[in-house]
Amino acid sequence: GAVVSQHPSRVICKSGTSVKIECRSLDFQATTMFWYRQFPKQSLMLMATSNEGSKATYEQGVEKDKFLINHASLTLSTLTVTSAHPEDSSFYICSAEGQGYGYTFGSGTRLTVV
Amino acid sequence: KNEVEQSPQNLTAQEGEFITINCSYSVGISALHWLQQHPGGGIVSLFMLSSGKKKHGRLIATINIQEKHSSLHITASHPRDSAVYICEHPRPEGAQKLVFGQGTRLTINP
Repeated sequence: GAVVSQHPSRVICKSGTSVKIECRSLDFQATTMFWYRQFPKQSLMLMATSNEGSKATYEQGVEKDKFLINHASLTLSTLTVTSAHPEDSSFYICSAEGQGYGYTFGSGTRLTVV
Repeated sequence: KNEVEQSPQNLTAQEGEFITINCSYSVGISALHWLQQHPGGGIVSLFMLSSGKKKHGRLIATINIQEKHSSLHITASHPRDSAVYICEHPRPEGAQKLVFGQGTRLTINP
């Protein structure tokens, strides 16, 4: 079946630094990738949608200059949290959609900003 | 009122019981998605359905578009079914936007 690899699974960074999270479709081409955030005991929140080769579409309230999304190829999308602050600490998860493959989720990245 | 309401929010049952989780939504949609989130955070897409019923193993999902309601059923529940179940649908107008229910935390005791 379809597999999406998300890396890293956990990261701790200092306030003010940037963190890059990778989401890679291993055995299919992901025409669309989605990035979500989940705070403790809350449901998922869609942050942005990215299509290969074009700019990401951000949801209302999500700062595009803070959460940089790059979808440079059909198998890789990255989310960079720039100038991270403690309030950015959250669980970030991606999903990929490819023709005939439906939605496949990555395993998530738990970000802690100290 | 939330666009998507799930019930119950928490459900504890004994192994073997038949489980029903409900999802009601307020706008007309073309499809609804059921997700399963395991305690470690990993998410699995269970069903995407636009009408009628779908079955996969012990899981059954139904949707009634006119009544704006969907249900997820688990037959012969097992402790490994313990997870948070989330329903989600695209928002009809605008860009690719998704609306999530708050999730149902299911615990199956042996």
